[in-house]
Parts: sequence; structure tokens; C-alpha cells
Amino acid sequence: DGGITQSPKYLFRKEGQNVTLSCEQNLNHDAMYWYRQDPGQGLRLIYYSQIVNDFQKGDIAEGYSVSREKKESFPLTVTSAQKNPTAFYLCASSSGVDEAFFGQGTRLTVV
Amino acid sequence: DAKTTQPNSMESNEEEPVHLPCNHSTISGTDYIHWYRQLPSQGPEYVIHGLTSNVNNRMASLAIAEDRKSSTLILHRATLRDAAVYYCILFNFGNEKLTFGTGTRLTIIP
Repeated sequence: DGGITQSPKYLFRKEGQNVTLSCEQNLNHDAMYWYRQDPGQGLRLIYYSQIVNDFQKGDIAEGYSVSREKKESFPLTVTSAQKNPTAFYLCASSSGVDEAFFGQGTRLTVV
Repeated sequence: DAKTTQPNSMESNEEEPVHLPCNHSTISGTDYIHWYRQLPSQGPEYVIHGLTSNVNNRMASLAIAEDRKSSTLILHRATLRDAAVYYCILFNFGNEKLTFGTGTRLTIIP
């Protein structure tokens, strides 16, 4: 089945540690996105990529990094520079102006 | 970037039509109007999108104003499963940036 997969579903991180969230899609989509959602809030764009080996900062990129070495994969690293990383993280992909598909999300908690 | 404005919340009775408004007065010619909805603890789900003309699909209808500065998502017969947060988004064809606003929380009253 075609789709977009995020892993893990739940992730715990100690303060000061970097952690990488996985996002994989087999929809052959060029564009991929990372969002952060805090409780009761909307989605805020962290990074997006229109094509392999290229990506742009979204509205809240500070403390995060990404890579796009393969079309299928767009991992997000939450660095120690992100002061309040506890949130729900969503990945999405799209093929231009048509619908975007979202993963089921990763819930990151700093302990 | 063009922004959208939606009411924070709306209520509707079950089996009645629902009209969810969205204002996007700074929309550009290359912005598509997308609607998504999100249930708690899930990723958003695509509902419908359009550029200039009204659109219909199995889930809903999208009515776009002639000047494109506003649009309305129409759920023809609301069910309890339609209770969700609905997001109106402008998708720019040039930079493919997909930015969400705060959305409208729709409550369906049995």
C-alpha cells in the first residue's frame, strides 16, 4: 500500500540530546514537509523540501535540521538547541498542487 | 505569504448542512485553496481543493468567491464523524509551501 510512514510513534529524549524522527513515503512525491503541533494549536511548518538535495526553512526552523538525500526519505533532527521540543510532529508529502498526505505523527517528550 | 482567517469554532446539528467560511484577502494568482481536517492525535486528512471554480467531491463541496478572496467548505449532511478541526490553507504552486492556520473546530450536535 502506498503511504507515508513516521517512526517511532512515541519518543522520549533526555535534555541536551539530539534525536532524529523518521519519515518515509512510497508515493513518489517530490515535496515533503515537517510540522510541529502543540496541544490545542494548529500546525506550524518547520522545514520543507521540493526536491532531493534541496530544502527550505519554514516558520520555526531554529533548533531543527533536515536532510533530503533520497526522494523517499526526509528525516528531522531535533537538536539540543531546541529549547522546548516536547510536541507532536507530523510529516507530509505531496506531488504538486494535489492533496498532501500526512503520516500518523511522532509524539516527542523530553524527560 | 498569503494568510487565511477562519472562525475559531462552529457548531452544527447532525444531518444538517454545514458552511465553514475562510477569508484569504491576500491570495495570489498561483495560490490554490486547500481544505484539510484533523481528528485528535491524528494527522490531517485531505478534504478538497480548488483554484477558481467551485469543486465537488464525495466528501464536500468548495465554493470560491469570484474575486477569490474568500471560500466556503460545505458539508452537505453533517454526521458525528465530521467533528474535527478544519483547516483552510493556501498552497503556492511556485514554492510549494503548505502553511496551516489555526483552523475551525467543528462540533456536531446529535
